[in-house]
Amino acid sequence: SQTIHQWPATLVQPVGSPLSLECTVEGTSNPNLYWYRQAAGRGLQLLFYSVGIGQISSEVPQNLSASRPQDRQFILSSKKLLLSDSGFYLCASDRGPSGANVLTFGAGSRLTVL
Amino acid sequence: AQSVAQPEDQVNVAEGNPLTVKCTYSVSGNPYLFWYVQYPNRGLQFLLKYITGDNLVKGSYGFEAEFNKSQTSFHLKKPSALVSDSALYFCAVRALDNTDKLIFGTGTRLQVFP
Repeated sequence: SQTIHQWPATLVQPVGSPLSLECTVEGTSNPNLYWYRQAAGRGLQLLFYSVGIGQISSEVPQNLSASRPQDRQFILSSKKLLLSDSGFYLCASDRGPSGANVLTFGAGSRLTVL
Repeated sequence: AQSVAQPEDQVNVAEGNPLTVKCTYSVSGNPYLFWYVQYPNRGLQFLLKYITGDNLVKGSYGFEAEFNKSQTSFHLKKPSALVSDSALYFCAVRALDNTDKLIFGTGTRLQVFP
């Protein structure tokens, strides 16, 4: 079955520092991959999605970028973090065991920018 | 544009009582609708989906949802609530742009009291 790994689980970074969050998927191939951000423990905002290696679509203008160097690897980055980048970042894949059109989520990475 | 609305920030229910978490949708065409649950500091877990067919959909952990086209609703229900059902619940609709992107509601916090 599919498993999504995210790391680090928790991260505290100063304003202006760089960021790299990693997501890897096991147990499937050629998934669509997604990065969501959840602010203040509530709503989910889709940041990026990818349908294949090197193919990234950005949903909202922001301080972040994403890359997909391998089929099952999805990376969220920033060159200089802002306070507003704090949040809970969730990676998701749509090739899980629950069938078509269903997203499977990783456990998340909590980022605090000070 | 596709959207879902969850009108209640929080729902409180006593253990053993039936529960309902409300969701209404706004779509053009036939909707693909989903419910997810999020426990504290975790990723989202899939509960159930409606694609087509029977309007009453049964999902994980005894939850079910009823698709009501005339009322554009997809409320989540459970006949008898458990304290362990306390969590954040998200309704979602699939975007109609030939991707598998999900558009999430703002979430409803369910609190089940013993």
